[in-house]
Amino acid sequence: GQQVMQIPQYQHVQEGEDFTTYCNSSTTLSNIQWYKQRPGGHPVFLIQLVKSGEVKKQKRLTFQFGEAKKNSSLHITATQTTDVGTYFCAGPGFKTIFGAGTRLFVKA
Amino acid sequence: DSGVTQTPKHLITATGQRVTLRCSPRSGDLSVYWYQQSLDQGLQFLIQYYNGEERAKGNILERFSAQQFPDLHSELNLSSLELGDSALYFCASSPTSGGAGDTQYFGPGTRLTVL
Repeated sequence: GQQVMQIPQYQHVQEGEDFTTYCNSSTTLSNIQWYKQRPGGHPVFLIQLVKSGEVKKQKRLTFQFGEAKKNSSLHITATQTTDVGTYFCAGPGFKTIFGAGTRLFVKA
Repeated sequence: DSGVTQTPKHLITATGQRVTLRCSPRSGDLSVYWYQQSLDQGLQFLIQYYNGEERAKGNILERFSAQQFPDLHSELNLSSLELGDSALYFCASSPTSGGAGDTQYFGPGTRLTVL
């Protein structure tokens, strides 16, 4: 069945450093979604990517969808302590497949 | 606030017991999803209901069952509880049947502790 892998599992950065998490699917995706879960909170939808090679930006966050629509990345420029949390990618479909997530720690 | 409500917020019970978790979706949303998140783990999809009917099933144990009522709220029933069932249980809702492109809105979760 479809699998969605995320790397790295954890990332420690100094405030102001950049951060990237990668999501890889075993199958071609019609779209991919990204969610953020703050510590002690619930997942919150960030964005959806649909087109091959699509790039979307939200302030310091840049989301990319691969040309083959099998991988995606989330890049945060100049991390801040408010970026702390776990970032999940999710493959579409009735049985939504979430990646294991990348937990971001930011040291002030 | 996502608009999805879950009760109770916390639940402590003993092994072998049965509990019911409740979820009310956002106004107008027809789909309800249930997820299990163990400590520092990812989200495991359990089951989805759309407009009262089961739509998709994930890795849900036979001891677990769910339903969605005519008013669209949903309940997740966990029986013969084991220590390993201790986890956060999230409910999410979405506007449509959950196909590609449907955004899910998560509730605050129910933290279940089985002693």
